Amino acid sequence: KNQVEQSPQSLIILEGKNCTLQCNYTVSPFSNLRWYKQDTGRGPVSLTIMTFSENTKSNGRYTATLDADTKQSSLHITASQLSDSASYICVVRGRMNRDDKIIFGKGTRLHILP
Amino acid sequence: NAGVTQTPKFQVLKTGQSMTLQCAQDMNHEYMSWYRQDPGMGLRLIHYSVGAGITDQGEVPNGYNVSRSTTEDFPLRLLSAAPSQTSVYFCASSLSSSRPENYGYTFGSGTRLTVV
Repeated sequence: KNQVEQSPQSLIILEGKNCTLQCNYTVSPFSNLRWYKQDTGRGPVSLTIMTFSENTKSNGRYTATLDADTKQSSLHITASQLSDSASYICVVRGRMNRDDKIIFGKGTRLHILP
Repeated sequence: NAGVTQTPKFQVLKTGQSMTLQCAQDMNHEYMSWYRQDPGMGLRLIHYSVGAGITDQGEVPNGYNVSRSTTEDFPLRLLSAAPSQTSVYFCASSLSSSRPENYGYTFGSGTRLTVV
């Protein structure tokens, strides 16, 4: 069964600290993986996309990594800010029965405390 | 350029009532879709459209209808609301219909629906 599992389910850290969110997937064959940020009461917004050949990609204080061999991705947030409080959703695209499939993870809820 | 606009933002319905959630985009995107988001679950695809006049079912289509008469609009109709349809609904669009995830989705801000 194609699945996308995110951990932890929720995370609380102090402002200024770093954190890492995990995404493990079993979607195969794999096409790409995207991280979205969803602020409370808003729709998700794309942060970064990783394709099979990419290992690391940065977007400001956000750095995503991908290990296609172990089917793991991480999103590292550096020097967290209060505005980073949000849900972070991992979305994996693959093929199942010759059809493209987009699988959404359940998200990690991140709380930044002042 | 407003992006994806959803209305209403909040709605309370009685069981058995019908209503339409509106979605409009001004980016000339080919692909439009509706998702529902429930606590503890990932976004689930209800219906999608790859262009005007073309719609197809997603993962959880039962109880919902859609139509795509123009490129800009993609309304979602609840035929006879049930408490199980209490959820937050997101409309999303993408530039390309052939590989929408390659271009990323632009999401609306959501409609929070409660069915009592």
